[in-house]
Amino acid sequence: EAGVAQSPRYKIIEKRQSVAFWCNPISGHATLYWYQQILGQGPKLLIQFQNNGVVDDSQLPKDRFSAERLKGVDSTLKIQPAKLEDSAVYLCASSLDLGAGANVLTFGAGSRLTVL
Amino acid sequence: AQSVTQLDSQVPVFEEAPVELRCNYSSSVSVYLFWYVQYPNQGLQLLLKYLSGSTLVKGINGFEAEFNKSQTSFHLRKPSVHISDTAEYFCAVIMNTGFQKLVFGTGTRLLVSP
Repeated sequence: EAGVAQSPRYKIIEKRQSVAFWCNPISGHATLYWYQQILGQGPKLLIQFQNNGVVDDSQLPKDRFSAERLKGVDSTLKIQPAKLEDSAVYLCASSLDLGAGANVLTFGAGSRLTVL
Repeated sequence: AQSVTQLDSQVPVFEEAPVELRCNYSSSVSVYLFWYVQYPNQGLQLLLKYLSGSTLVKGINGFEAEFNKSQTSFHLRKPSVHISDTAEYFCAVIMNTGFQKLVFGTGTRLLVSP
């Protein structure tokens, strides 16, 4: 089966600019996740969707970050305006359903953002 | 709140030597436990998972981990490492109650040298 697709793989922007990342999960996976991985740290969950509804966005900086999954398939994560501390790898993952304990997450290769 | 601690940020080891990467978690309820591996410029790949049953879990690439409830640990082991095992290893936990969120540790970089 095809994996989780993400684009772009790399992006360099100036602070205060905007950027968008796209994710296409594995076909049939109802749950989609966006994680932020800062260099030297473990991934941190930003937002989790079940189909096109938000399950958890408690750690999403909503003043500058937004995400949507309009048709319950692919998803877009946007940052506007970007700050230096947003430099990180943004990982998208998907799983068959909620209850990720038994439904293992499959991760994409990530989108590396550098904010100058 | 659940948390995961990986005390070793980096573990250097020679090829064909055994290795253990340590992971401790804090939770007052039952948990699901995972080890993921991340090769350079790649996403995370599941190595193994503990959901229930046998406390010794075998994963891919010859890795295994043992769930120890009394010590709240889930250490990862391999009896003989290869150069290709050089990567970042992340321990992760889900609390088996209510909303299930996967929480990662800070990672351990395994450096295998010839």
